[in-house]
Amino acid sequence: DIQMTQSPSSLSASVGDRVTITCRASQGIRNDLGWYQQKPGKAPQRLIYAASSLQSGVPSRFSGSGSGTDFTLTISSLQPEDFATYYCLQHNTYPWTFGQGTKVEIK
Amino acid sequence: EVQLVESGGGWVQPGGSLRLSCAASGYSFSRYWMSWVRQAPGKGLEWVANIKLDGSEKYYVGSVKGRFTISRDNAKNSLYLQMGSLRAEDTAVYFCARFTSGGALGSYWGQGTLVTVSS
Repeated sequence: DIQMTQSPSSLSASVGDRVTITCRASQGIRNDLGWYQQKPGKAPQRLIYAASSLQSGVPSRFSGSGSGTDFTLTISSLQPEDFATYYCLQHNTYPWTFGQGTKVEIK
Repeated sequence: EVQLVESGGGWVQPGGSLRLSCAASGYSFSRYWMSWVRQAPGKGLEWVANIKLDGSEKYYVGSVKGRFTISRDNAKNSLYLQMGSLRAEDTAVYFCARFTSGGALGSYWGQGTLVTVSS
């Protein structure tokens, strides 16, 4: 199985901060990766697809990069509504695997 | 508007069975692959299973192979997850989700249904 190592597991940041979350795949997955945001008690929502494409309707402060094994989600200026948990998901090879999640909390 | 509504969750004893359903509306159900994803209380997301448009291909995470069966009824716009030999570690909220046209999970998910396996 492909392991997705996501870091950090949590972070504290202030409104306006730049935030970076990384996912490393245990083997190459091309750009078959999405980033999801989940708020408590809610279903996940996709932010980024194909590693770097912004989902329609998602604010442009979110961006993704990477290919192969190393991927990054960046929030350029953290907003109050961005405090949530973020997950990467590889869909290159079965079984699909999520990263462990990154909880973004208010400093 | 795309809607996915899960049902069928509840409490079951270890070794028992349960069938989850997901009713889809607002789009042509038969044109999209579908998934089940679960989340144990306080834990992260885990992909469980995928099913192709006509049900001819199915994929599972290793921990549920041989115990869970994903299926669909395109005439009823419904997705199912038959769960058997349930274990405590299967306790989770189960989400159904729709693929995008690009072949991955997008932002169409149900609200989830809680399955609790406990004696």
